[in-house]
Amino acid sequence: DQQVKQNSPSLSVQEGRISILNCDYTNSMFDYFLWYKKYPAEGPTFLISISSIKDKNEDGRFTVFLNKSAKHLSLHIVPSQPGDSAVYFCAASLYAGNMLTFGGGTRLMVKP
Amino acid sequence: DGGITQSPKYLFRKEGQNVTLSCEQNLNHDAMYWYRQDPGQGLRLIYYSQIVNDFQKGDIAEGYSVSREKKESFPLTVTSAQKNPTAFYLCASSPLGEDRNTEAFFGQGTRLTVV
Repeated sequence: DQQVKQNSPSLSVQEGRISILNCDYTNSMFDYFLWYKKYPAEGPTFLISISSIKDKNEDGRFTVFLNKSAKHLSLHIVPSQPGDSAVYFCAASLYAGNMLTFGGGTRLMVKP
Repeated sequence: DGGITQSPKYLFRKEGQNVTLSCEQNLNHDAMYWYRQDPGQGLRLIYYSQIVNDFQKGDIAEGYSVSREKKESFPLTVTSAQKNPTAFYLCASSPLGEDRNTEAFFGQGTRLTVV
């Protein structure tokens, strides 16, 4: 049973607009959440993270929002750029350790 | 430069053969992980290790084996018992300790194909 889900397998956005990627989780014990970006045939690279004690974390064009009551997090990219086109994975870890549980990924396509 | 290195990048295996994927890190991380990615799917945890000479099964450990004789190295053996070994394999490492909430760093992956 998937504990971390990304229900949209793909998303297409115009350059300059906002991209919103969503992620839901079921395990209320998760206390740390991360977003990774992945290009084909490469390893994922870390993008941004958020602890369960916060509801927002911002880093440049990237902002992650966490809604613990809804067990939902989202990644906002503003403005979107063609170089942002990649697969984005959300991941979560339990309080006791750094083992990550990943969602299925969302492929973002930013059109020029 | 510090990082995590997987080799080889591409690997072909005949059915019935065992094959070992290499993963080395010089980040001085305590924890290391192996994930598998199938086309259009997320990353699934195979094995992880938080300390030398100790490792734990992940969600899909059947048909795989690992060892952790050195902190820097965490090789994964795909055995003939693994029914569908063709996949993209990713190794990762992360620090442990008081600052628990840090990200895992990934290698560039090994694509294994059974021929």
